[in-house]
This record gives sequence, C-alpha cells and structure tokens, in this order.
Amino acid sequence: QKEVEQNSGPLSVPEGAIASLNCTYSDRGSQSFFWYRQYSGKSPELIMSIYSNGDKEDGRFTAQLNKASQYVSLLIRDSQPSDSATYLCAVKNAGGTSYGKLTFGQGTILTVHP
Amino acid sequence: EAGVAQSPRYKIIEKRQSVAFWCNPISGHATLYWYQQILGQGPKLLIQFQNNGVVDDSQLPKDRFSAERLKGVDSTLKIQPAKLEDSAVYLCASSSKTGIRNGREQYFGPGTRLTVT
Repeated sequence: QKEVEQNSGPLSVPEGAIASLNCTYSDRGSQSFFWYRQYSGKSPELIMSIYSNGDKEDGRFTAQLNKASQYVSLLIRDSQPSDSATYLCAVKNAGGTSYGKLTFGQGTILTVHP
Repeated sequence: EAGVAQSPRYKIIEKRQSVAFWCNPISGHATLYWYQQILGQGPKLLIQFQNNGVVDDSQLPKDRFSAERLKGVDSTLKIQPAKLEDSAVYLCASSSKTGIRNGREQYFGPGTRLTVT
C-alpha cells in the first residue's frame, strides 16, 4: 500500500465547475496535510495546508480533512483554465526519526477546459 | 524575501559521469531538503538537513549519492557515477523549523532537470 495515494487522473472539468481532488494516507499518526500545485516544468507551490478535522476555505479552494478515515480532499470552486496543473497531496509523518518527513502522493493532473 | 535558489537549471550528462547540484535556501531557514521527482511521480525525499546535521537520509542511494551542508546554509548534492534512472528533476526545499508543529510549510526552489544519456 502506498503511503499517500491520490485519485487517478487525469481529471477534466469544464470552466466554472467544481473540481474535486482526493487523497488517502496510511500513517494514522500524521498531523499535517498539504496541497501543492505544480505547473508543467515548474516546482511545487503550496496552496493549502490543514491540520484539524473539518473544512478550511481559502478563496476558491477548500481543503477537507477526516483523520478517522485518513482522507484529505481539495475542492476548487469556479474552476478556471489557469487551474490546469498537477495537484500534489503531501502528508507530514508523525515523527520518529523522520522529524516530520513530508511524503507526497503521485499527483493528479487537472485540466479545466473552456 | 528571496526564494530558494538552485543551479544549474538543466544538466545533461552521460551515464557513469558525475554531477553536482547547488542549493541556497531562504534566508534564516534552518531545515533544507533535497527531493527527486521522476516524471509523472510526486517528489521523493532524498535527504533532510537541520542546520548542518543530517536528520533523514533513509532514501538516499548512498553508494552513488552524497550531500553536504557544511556551514548550515547552502548545500550541494552529488551523484557519482550517474545512471540512466537518475534522470529526474532534483528539487531543493527549505522550511524555517522542523518537527510536527513547527516549520510546517516547505518552499521549493525551481529545480534542476537532469538528463542522463
């Protein structure tokens, strides 16, 4: 089982729709969760972080965390063509010798078409 | 505030050659990370430094990869000898602190795209 697994893509949505990206993780002790956006040929850019169960909203982005189900999601409302990118889910491990090691999922490619 | 700097941006070498990458983290960031990102995959942590000490190098192929951060600021990652499967983007990231509740966010540099032929 992969440590961090994202829903397989690519995901294609029309402009103005809601894009839903999902992520599950295996380390039940994980405490911090992140969504990064990566445009083709560019480095990952942090767009959302969430640490507590529930929803966290920032503009058109909403991150949802359910630690009992070991599930993180990212909703993008009113999707725009500029949102077309690969979205990476990252989970910070609980500790041990890892000092909070960040583990990434494989990424989901999102395409927003006009 | 300047971001994470990396050089070179691109490098093409033949297998069995050696290569070195350089990273300068955001000023004041004590924690520095090197990731390898193979095309179509998420970044994979190779090594993590806290100041000039290694915190985690469990996924670093130590027979060919080495990294150092002698003065606790900039860092170099070396591959010697390179293999075809080392073709990837090498990303450097930094954060202000380490641990679960501190320095949560990592900020990435532009990366070095390595092609091994």
